[in-house]
Amino acid sequence: EIVMTQSPATLSVSPGERATLSCRASQSISSKLAWYQQKPGQAPRLLVYGASTRATGIPGRFSGSGSGTEFTLTITSLQSEDFAVYYCQQYYNWPPAITFGQGTRLEIK
Amino acid sequence: QITLKESGPTLMKPTQTLTLTCTFSGFSLNTNGVGVGWIRQPPGKALEWLALVFWDDDNRYSPSLESRLTVTKDTSKNQVVLIMTNMDPVDTATYYCAHAFRYCSGGTCQVRVFDHWGQGTVVTVS
Repeated sequence: EIVMTQSPATLSVSPGERATLSCRASQSISSKLAWYQQKPGQAPRLLVYGASTRATGIPGRFSGSGSGTEFTLTITSLQSEDFAVYYCQQYYNWPPAITFGQGTRLEIK
Repeated sequence: QITLKESGPTLMKPTQTLTLTCTFSGFSLNTNGVGVGWIRQPPGKALEWLALVFWDDDNRYSPSLESRLTVTKDTSKNQVVLIMTNMDPVDTATYYCAHAFRYCSGGTCQVRVFDHWGQGTVVTVS
């Protein structure tokens, strides 16, 4: 099974600043990576797929990068609504399967 | 507009069989390149993928849970049903169904990214 490791577990950033979230795969997954945002009591929301393609309706301050085993989600000029938990998801070959990272909590500093 | 909604029991006893229904609108599971997945989330924990059913009747399951899972689709009712046997307290979670769409890049296409999610249904095993 491909293991996805996200860091840090918690990230404290001030509004208006930049946040950089990391996701590492235990083996190469090419660009088969998506990022989701989840707010308390809500379902996840797709932000990025294919490592760097923003999903429909996602603001330009969200950007994804990386390939192989190292990936980054960058959020510039943080807004109050951006403080949430972020998950990465790999969807490389079958098997192993779809797996999610353990999440990064982005909190207000 | 794509919407999905999960329904099923909220409380179960150990060893019982869980049956959850995902009722959706705004798309058809007869359409090439469409899938519906099931994902769960224990309280305070991360997301865990369970299963994915495709437009072409191909079904895929999490290897760690495959022996306990069955997914079926009823395209006439716009429903997908998840069956999980031998429920245990560790299966307590919010269960989501989600729409998977196809995108193509570098000569290959994928139907494993979830762009619309249901609100989730809480299942407690005790």
